[in-house]
Amino acid sequence: EDQVTQSPEALRLQEGESSSLNCSYTVSGLRGLFWYRQDPGKGPEFLFTLYSAGEEKEKERLKATLTKKESFLHITAPKPEDSATYLCAVQDTGTYKYIFGTGTRLKVLA
Amino acid sequence: GAVVSQHPSRVICKSGTSVKIECRSLDFQATTMFWYRQFPKQSLMLMATSNEGSKATYEQGVEKDKFLINHASLTLSTLTVTSAHPEDSSFYICSARASPYPNEKLFFGSGTQLSVL
Repeated sequence: EDQVTQSPEALRLQEGESSSLNCSYTVSGLRGLFWYRQDPGKGPEFLFTLYSAGEEKEKERLKATLTKKESFLHITAPKPEDSATYLCAVQDTGTYKYIFGTGTRLKVLA
Repeated sequence: GAVVSQHPSRVICKSGTSVKIECRSLDFQATTMFWYRQFPKQSLMLMATSNEGSKATYEQGVEKDKFLINHASLTLSTLTVTSAHPEDSSFYICSARASPYPNEKLFFGSGTQLSVL
């Protein structure tokens, strides 16, 4: 059964304190892994897509990496505006369905 | 990026009434739209896959007679919660792909917070 587990559930950082969020997944075949940002009361906003192990994507203070079992979202020198819930999702080659993790709630303190 | 518009953003209704939620792709044609439900601090749970011009495909455990989905055009899908009850209170989100390729990213609407009294 496809499964996505994100850790930690919640993370509090001081402004400028870099850290990483983890997304561990189990799928029969990975079609793609997606990272989204979700603000309270809003729909998820797309950040990155990763397709194969070893792939990396960067956008401003965020960098996503992928292995055969997990993905990391690295946040470098975060700012308070980076506070949000970060969601990871995988798509199975067989079902085409997107399976979402429960997210990591990030709070960056000024 | 592609824009998905969802309305209303918040609705409060009495138990037993029906509520319709609209999801529109503003600058692209979406042959497939997805409807999710999200409880506080929980993941997005796929309710159904909506294909333009055909019946929606519902996930196991989702009552198709309670959650009516219509995808009459390439830019509009609607979710109607019929005879709503307090347990239907939740955050409902729609999404769509801007590309025909099945492994492409989803674009999400801003969500609808439904509160049933």
